[in-house]
Amino acid sequence: NAGVTQTPKFQVLKTGQSMTLQCAQDMNHEYMSWYRQDPGMGLRLIHYSVGAGITDQGEVPNGYNVSRSTTEDFPLRLLSAAPSQTSVYFCASSYSQRGYEQYFGPGTRLTVT
Amino acid sequence: GEDVEQSLFLSVREGDSSVINCTYTDSSSTYLYWYKQEPGAGLQLLTYIFSNMDMKQDQRLTVLLNKKDKHLSLRIADTQTGDSAIYFCAETGNNDMRFGAGTRLTVKP
Repeated sequence: NAGVTQTPKFQVLKTGQSMTLQCAQDMNHEYMSWYRQDPGMGLRLIHYSVGAGITDQGEVPNGYNVSRSTTEDFPLRLLSAAPSQTSVYFCASSYSQRGYEQYFGPGTRLTVT
Repeated sequence: GEDVEQSLFLSVREGDSSVINCTYTDSSSTYLYWYKQEPGAGLQLLTYIFSNMDMKQDQRLTVLLNKKDKHLSLRIADTQTGDSAIYFCAETGNNDMRFGAGTRLTVKP
């Protein structure tokens, strides 16, 4: 099992550019989520999905879109990058939304100039 | 919203015990977790405790939960240099998982 994989590992964008952060898991987990990690702050939930075809907003969803067409993949789209989106992004998956260990990907470090 | 708070830094000497503290506000929290993050890596679950327990021990790790005070702690016995990392407290109940800001543990030889 590869677990949770994320690509790219690093990315630099200019303000206004769009891009997609990829996330995939091979554990047949129903629940997947995207977090951002900023210095001095805990991980904040951006969007999550409880299964294929179902997504919902987390704590900080503005400026991001997600879709879940398969159980395995959960891409995060930045529509028009802003410097405030400079952060480290983590994808996670688990069997269920609550009460189960979340497995985290290695992260994508994004810089928006 | 509900908060999870931790102190940001802790420094100990190799061989000493480390105690990392966490407080939370959500009274409906049912599961509380400790995650470890090493540089450049994702979060790795260290241990978790159900809210109906007050202590859990796993080798060098001891988790204490005071549900009345909404206080969680992680004790690492015989701390090693390899324990240097950021430790996150997290909780989940009726809400989605919420994380503290992380405590950076530095272990000095």
